[in-house]
Amino acid sequence: IAGITQAPTSQILAAGRRMTLRCTQDMRHNAMYWYRQDLGLGLRLIHYSNTAGTTGKGEVPDGYSVSRANTDDFPLTLASAVPSQTSVYFCASSSTGGSTDTQYFGPGTRLTVL
Amino acid sequence: GQNIDQPTEMTATEGAIVQINCTYQTSGFNGLFWYQQHAGEAPTFLSYNVLDGLEEKGRFSSFLSRSKGYSYLLLKELQMKDSASYLCAVRDSNYQLIWGAGTKLIIKP
Repeated sequence: IAGITQAPTSQILAAGRRMTLRCTQDMRHNAMYWYRQDLGLGLRLIHYSNTAGTTGKGEVPDGYSVSRANTDDFPLTLASAVPSQTSVYFCASSSTGGSTDTQYFGPGTRLTVL
Repeated sequence: GQNIDQPTEMTATEGAIVQINCTYQTSGFNGLFWYQQHAGEAPTFLSYNVLDGLEEKGRFSSFLSRSKGYSYLLLKELQMKDSASYLCAVRDSNYQLIWGAGTKLIIKP
């Protein structure tokens, strides 16, 4: 059982380029999330999806888009990368998105935008 | 605004006990989580509190006081492998997790 996988592990990207971070889970969780983690700051929610076919904006959605075509996959796209998007990106999933729900995290993608 | 406060860094000795505090001000409360994150790795779930009181799980315990907006994580019999960051997160009225910046715990022999 893999849990949650993310790809790539790390990436260096030129500013202005388009980039898709991939996230796949095999736990049949309904809810999925994308966070960014920056030094000195808490994890910040970018986008989320409570179930396949639906998505929502988190705290810092600008410059990012997501899709949820099926239960397992939740890709995050940077349409035109900027240096301020340099960060570590974590994908997470949870069973239902409800109040007692625990989120489980993927290994992360370290992205550098130059 | 919503705010989660934790100390930035703490140091403790192997075999000792350490308490990591977390205070919060959020729009609504639907539970508080503690996660452990080793350097360069993903956060992993440690504990969940939704009612006041102490939850014990092996060497780790977590306490919650909703009236005070306060929680702590207690780690006993510290081991070198406990060196990590400990993240406090509160689920708000929109069922989203609001995260603290984390407390880096350094264990010395």
